[in-house]
Amino acid sequence: EAGVAQSPRYKIIEKRQSVAFWCNPISGHATLYWYQQILGQGPKLLIQFQNNGVVDDSQLPKDRFSAERLKGVDSTLKIQPAKLEDSAVYLCASRRSTNSPLHFGNGTRLTVT
Amino acid sequence: DQQVKQNSPSLSVQEGRISILNCDYTNSMFDYFLWYKKYPAEGPTFLISISSIKDKNEDGRFTVFLNKSAKHLSLHIVPSQPGDSAVYFCAAKAQGTALIFGKGTTLSVSS
Repeated sequence: EAGVAQSPRYKIIEKRQSVAFWCNPISGHATLYWYQQILGQGPKLLIQFQNNGVVDDSQLPKDRFSAERLKGVDSTLKIQPAKLEDSAVYLCASRRSTNSPLHFGNGTRLTVT
Repeated sequence: DQQVKQNSPSLSVQEGRISILNCDYTNSMFDYFLWYKKYPAEGPTFLISISSIKDKNEDGRFTVFLNKSAKHLSLHIVPSQPGDSAVYFCAAKAQGTALIFGKGTTLSVSS
């Protein structure tokens, strides 16, 4: 089966600019996650969707980050305005059911200058 | 407050020997534990998992051990191969919650 697709692979922006990332999960996977991985750290959950509904966004900085999953398939994550500390790899993951393993995409590496 | 801790940032092992990666957790509600492997410029890939009703799970060269009383799990790789060189993340979850990851341990296997 095709894996989780993410684009772009790399993005460099200046602080205060906006940026958007796209994710297409594995077909049939109802649950989708966005994780932020800062260099030297493990992935940290930003938001979890079940179909097109938000399950957990408690760690999403909602003053600058937003995410949507229209039609319960693709998802976009947006940052506006970006800060230097947002420099990280943004990972999208999906899974078929509870306690089945997460499948990750290759991530988008964001550099904010 | 880190709920999943990998206290060794790196580990070096010779090819053919055993690699042991350790992970500690603080949340007694965690009931499912996983190990992920990550190569540079790729996303983490699932390696092996264990539920809290077991104390051992084996898959080929990889074995995960769970000690619930000590809130500790370990990943054993036997024999280690150069292709095993990667960052290994321990992750844990409770019912109805998302995975929480440790900071990772970089394994280097030399030939």
